[in-house]
Amino acid sequence: SQTIHQWPATLVQPVGSPLSLECTVEGTSNPNLYWYRQAAGRGLQLLFYSVGIGQISSEVPQNLSASRPQDRQFILSSKKLLLSDSGFYLCAWSAGGRDYGYTFGSGTRLTVV
Amino acid sequence: KQEVTQIPAALSVPEGENLVLNCSFTDSAIYNLQWFRQDPGKGLTSLLLIQSSQREQTSGRLNASLDKSSGRSTLYIAASQPGDSATYLCAVKASGTYKYIFGTGTRLKVLA
Repeated sequence: SQTIHQWPATLVQPVGSPLSLECTVEGTSNPNLYWYRQAAGRGLQLLFYSVGIGQISSEVPQNLSASRPQDRQFILSSKKLLLSDSGFYLCAWSAGGRDYGYTFGSGTRLTVV
Repeated sequence: KQEVTQIPAALSVPEGENLVLNCSFTDSAIYNLQWFRQDPGKGLTSLLLIQSSQREQTSGRLNASLDKSSGRSTLYIAASQPGDSATYLCAVKASGTYKYIFGTGTRLKVLA
């Protein structure tokens, strides 16, 4: 069966520090991968998605970036965090093709101080 | 641009009631619609996925319907229980895309 792993679960980082969040999927190949952010009291905002290795689509211009170095690995990064980057970051995967739904990871709570 | 709206934003009901959560979307050209549940501080759990060619899907006490022409979906929860308390989100995958657009959710509280 397929599983999705996301870590760390919580993170407290100072303003201006770098960020690296990792997401991996097991039990499938060539998944579509997604990064969402959920700010306090707000809806889910799609940040990046990828339909293949090395392919990244950016939805929101900001100081975050994403990479997909391996088929089942998706990384969210920042060189310098802002206070406004605080939030709940969720990784999701779906099978290739548009008929499939999402499966989400357990999320990372990021607090920038 | 696809927009997804969920009404009501919050709902409080006594245990045992049957209830309906609503989801509206502006563009009827969709591949599918998915309902999720989110417990506080947790990730999203998939409840039901309805393809554009389907009218409804059922899982246990949950039933989701889809009316593409009117841009609406409902999630029916039968015999609600305190364990059903959570935020329920619907998400729509628009035609020509790989991504879901989410509603802002309905926060449900079932009172014992």
